[in-house]
Parts: sequence; structure tokens; C-alpha cells
Amino acid sequence: NAGVTQTPKFQVLKTGQSMTLQCAQDMNHNSMYWYRQDPGMGLRLIYYSASEGTTDKGEVPNGYNVSRLNKREFSLRLESAAPSQTSVYFCASNEGETGELFFGEGSRLTVL
Amino acid sequence: GESVGLHLPTLSVQEGDNSIINCAYSNSASDYFIWYKQESGKGPQFIIDIRSNMDKRQGQRVTVLLNKTVKHLSLQIAATQPGDSAVYFCAEINDYKLSFGAGTTVTVRA
Repeated sequence: NAGVTQTPKFQVLKTGQSMTLQCAQDMNHNSMYWYRQDPGMGLRLIYYSASEGTTDKGEVPNGYNVSRLNKREFSLRLESAAPSQTSVYFCASNEGETGELFFGEGSRLTVL
Repeated sequence: GESVGLHLPTLSVQEGDNSIINCAYSNSASDYFIWYKQESGKGPQFIIDIRSNMDKRQGQRVTVLLNKTVKHLSLQIAATQPGDSAVYFCAEINDYKLSFGAGTTVTVRA
């Protein structure tokens, strides 16, 4: 079991460029999440998907789009990157009924 | 707005001593709380959870205490080890989504 796998681990973008963060889980979980982590602010929920075919906004969705491609995969897209989106992004998954989220290793994004 | 937060951003503890990490929450409707540990360069890992119908729950070297009267949550780590150095987050469940506090960085002194 690999758990939750995120790619890429590191990325540098210029303002206005677009990119997609990929996430896959092999635990057959129904729910998947994207968080961003900034210094001193903990983790903030960007988008989540309670089940395949559904997505919902979290606390900080502006500037992002998501796709729940199938039960395993949940991608996060930045259409026009801004310096304020410099952060570490974490994908997570769970069954949806318990709080035990399983996290990926994170993707460190820098927007210049 | 309602949020989950931690009292102190940093905690330095001597190896072998007990650690206590505190968290205050403001959403009185929350009924499920979790502690996560995040080591440098890694994603958060589940430590222990507690439901609002409990006051205390114990795990391996860890104990979580919940005081609903003052909306306070704490994590106690017994006999702190160097491997316990990490950032610790409390989180609350609301409509199946977790809200995290800012975290406490624990440093263990040899």
C-alpha cells in the first residue's frame, strides 16, 4: 500500500502560469481533500470530494479548481498562479465517516 | 468566526519529561476532536481522537483530555523522546470536514 501519493513534490511557477497537482490513493476511500499549509496558519481546506462524482468548496477555494477523476484520483488545478498561492499543498483521504485522514507527503509550490 | 486554536506556538521539553500541549476551541457544536503530528517535510499523521461524550482517552504514551465546560483540549505525551519532536495540531470535525489549529512546535532537548 502506497497510501496517498502526490505529484509533483516541488514546483516553481511564474505568475500567470497554470499547473495541476495530482493525487491518488489506494485505500479505496470515498472522500478526498486538498489542503494548503502556510506558516502559522495550520492547514486550510481548499476543496473536498465526499464521493466519486462530487466536489465541494472548502474554506479557501478561490483561484483553484478540482476534478475527481475516479475513486482513486483527485486533482487540484491552478489556472493562473499568483504569488499568494505559494504554499505547501496536501492531499488527504478517508472513509468520510471518521476523522482519521491519511495525508500525502505534500507538494511545495512557489509562485514567483 | 469559530475556530480551533492552540495556546502556544512552541514548546521545549527535556527528554524523559512529560509534555502537555493545549488547544482551545470555540465551536460548542463540535463533537469530535483529533490530534495530529507532523514531522518536518511530511504530511500530518493521526495520533489520537476523542468524542465529546468522553473526558479522557489514552493511547500508547499519549493521553487526550477534553474539558467541554471551558472548551479546552490537551494532549499529554509521557516520557518525551527525541522522535516526538514535531508540530502538533488539534482539529475538530464539522460536517465531515476537519478544521485545524495553527499548531504547536515541540522541541525535545537531550
